Parts: sequence; C-alpha cells; structure tokens
Amino acid sequence: DAGVIQSPRHEVTEMGQEVTLRCKPISGHNSLFWYRQTMMRGLELLIYFNNNVPIDDSGMPEDRFSAKMPNASFSTLKIQPSEPRDSAVYFCASSPDPPQEYSNQPQHFGDGTRLSIL
Amino acid sequence: ELKVEQNPLFLSMQEGKNYTIYCNYSTTSDRLYWYRQDPGKSLESLFVLLSNGAVKQEGRLMASLDTKARLSTLHITAAVHDLSATYFCAVDVLYNNNDMRFGAGTRLTVKP
Repeated sequence: DAGVIQSPRHEVTEMGQEVTLRCKPISGHNSLFWYRQTMMRGLELLIYFNNNVPIDDSGMPEDRFSAKMPNASFSTLKIQPSEPRDSAVYFCASSPDPPQEYSNQPQHFGDGTRLSIL
Repeated sequence: ELKVEQNPLFLSMQEGKNYTIYCNYSTTSDRLYWYRQDPGKSLESLFVLLSNGAVKQEGRLMASLDTKARLSTLHITAAVHDLSATYFCAVDVLYNNNDMRFGAGTRLTVKP
C-alpha cells in the first residue's frame, strides 16, 4: 500500500514567489493534516481536514498561507508571497478516521517537502 | 492551551544501557503517540496509547501511559546503535477539533 505521497521533495525559490506543496493521502483515509517542522518551533500543526473540509486552520501562520482539499485524494498548501522565514520541512499526514474514542490509528506521515526561500 | 514537554531533549548513551524518556502534558488527553524520526526522514509511528495504565512494547522500546499524572514514558532497554534517532511524543484532544501537539523531541544517540 502506497504511503502518503508529497511533492516536491525539495523546493528552492526566491522570496516573493508563490510556492505550492502537494499531498496525496493514503487511499481510504479521510483525515489529512499539514505540519511544519523547524529547529526553532519543532512540529506545528497548520491545518486539518476531515472528509475534504477544513476543520481547524488555527495553526496557519498568516494570510499568505492557504490550503485546499478539492477531493479525497489530493491537497495543496500554498504560500503566496513566500518569505525566508517560511523555510522549513512541511509534512502531510493522513489517518483513516476522525478522532474517535478508542481508535488506535496513528497519523501516517509523508516524506516531507524541504522548502528553502532565499 | 495544550502543552507537551519532553525530557531530556538530548540523550547520549552507551550501547547496552537502559534509559527512559519522559513526556508530560498539560490537559486531559485522549490519546498519546510516540513517533521516531531519523535525520532527514519522515515520522514513523511507534506506539498509540489509549488508556490509563496502557503499556506497549516493541523490541527494546516500551511505552506506558499514566493519564492521572499526565505522563508517558518511553523506556529503552539495552540500547543499540540502530535506536539512534529523534523520538517525539504527541497528544491529541478528541473534543477540541483534534488539537494535536508534539513535544520538542528527544534526540537519542547510542554510542558503541
């Protein structure tokens, strides 16, 4: 079974440019999460979708960040305009159900996109 | 606000030794996770702990949960070099829109 697939693996671009990160969750998983990892702030949950609907976007740092999930098999995280402080590794994760009592399913993480804004 | 604290943040140990990583969290939680991350790699799920007193073991790693103390431990027995990685605990709160927080991680180095 294919895991969570993210693209690109690496992205280097100049500040001010638009950046789009892509994620394909595991088939059948109906919850999708975007995280950002930096040395300074560790792992931060940016936004969470359930059944393609954004549930909690309180972690999105500012209006320059937006995320969409047009269907069950695809999500994007967009930064426009990008800034050097956005440099980080961005992870996408999926899980097979919304949080339910006694569910023992962890989130499955993709390999991440290493983003560098110059 | 849910806060998750791990300690130690850095751990260097000799092969064959035992050690424990601690994870404290600030509010009532429903699930606690342990993940492993190798340098430059993704996060790999190790354990999901659901209830007070839960204990799970996989190889040289054993995780436990005390919900009353809001504490989870990851115990390493007879460490080997292959266990060198960063270990994260994470906690979520079911009834807060899956507000999930990760600890800062414990970077473990096992030396021969």
